[in-house]
Amino acid sequence: DVKVTQSSRYLVKRTGEKVFLECVQDMDHENMFWYRQDPGLGLRLIYFSYDVKMKEKGDIPEGYSVSREKKERFSLILESASTNQTSMYLCASSLTQVNTEAFFGQGTRLTVV
Amino acid sequence: SQQGEEDPQALSIQEGENATMNCSYKTSINNLQWYRQNSGRGLVHLILIRSNEREKHSGRLRVTLDTSKKSSSLLITASRAADTASYFCVSSGGGADGLTFGKGTHLIIQP
Repeated sequence: DVKVTQSSRYLVKRTGEKVFLECVQDMDHENMFWYRQDPGLGLRLIYFSYDVKMKEKGDIPEGYSVSREKKERFSLILESASTNQTSMYLCASSLTQVNTEAFFGQGTRLTVV
Repeated sequence: SQQGEEDPQALSIQEGENATMNCSYKTSINNLQWYRQNSGRGLVHLILIRSNEREKHSGRLRVTLDTSKKSSSLLITASRAADTASYFCVSSGGGADGLTFGKGTHLIIQP
């Protein structure tokens, strides 16, 4: 089975901190994605990557950056955390550039205080 | 990909009944996918239907695709309590782009 692992299930950070959310997949997938999910707003795409060192903005990239130095790892970075970034963050991966089935991690519930 | 719009936003039925959810999209597609999210198993892929297919089955799931109407439906037969979840559709043009989700249909199965 494909496994997508997010480094933390729950995280509490202070306003202004730099926050790293890590995601690792074990099936050599090309595509990786970061979403945030908020009540009433559904899943919103923050960034995605279709290859090492490549990144593309999603629908809500402001306040975030990403890093993909290795194929299996995709990191989401909150440069200066703010309370409006309190959310559930979901990482996903899929096999090829032509969109195929995506596999999701269990999510990281981030609270910024 | 493009954001699909699921309809209805919420659906409550009795256990054992069939549940039907609909999805509409705007531009031509390569494939359309359905996902389910519940608290226990997170977000999981259910089924993918390609643009040249009209119907696809997987267990108790039946998906139809009407490219002329730019719409898809997901039918869950003989519903169970474990089917209580949110269901999302994602349509894709086949290019290298992100998967965009709608707000989903929240399905509640009453015992």
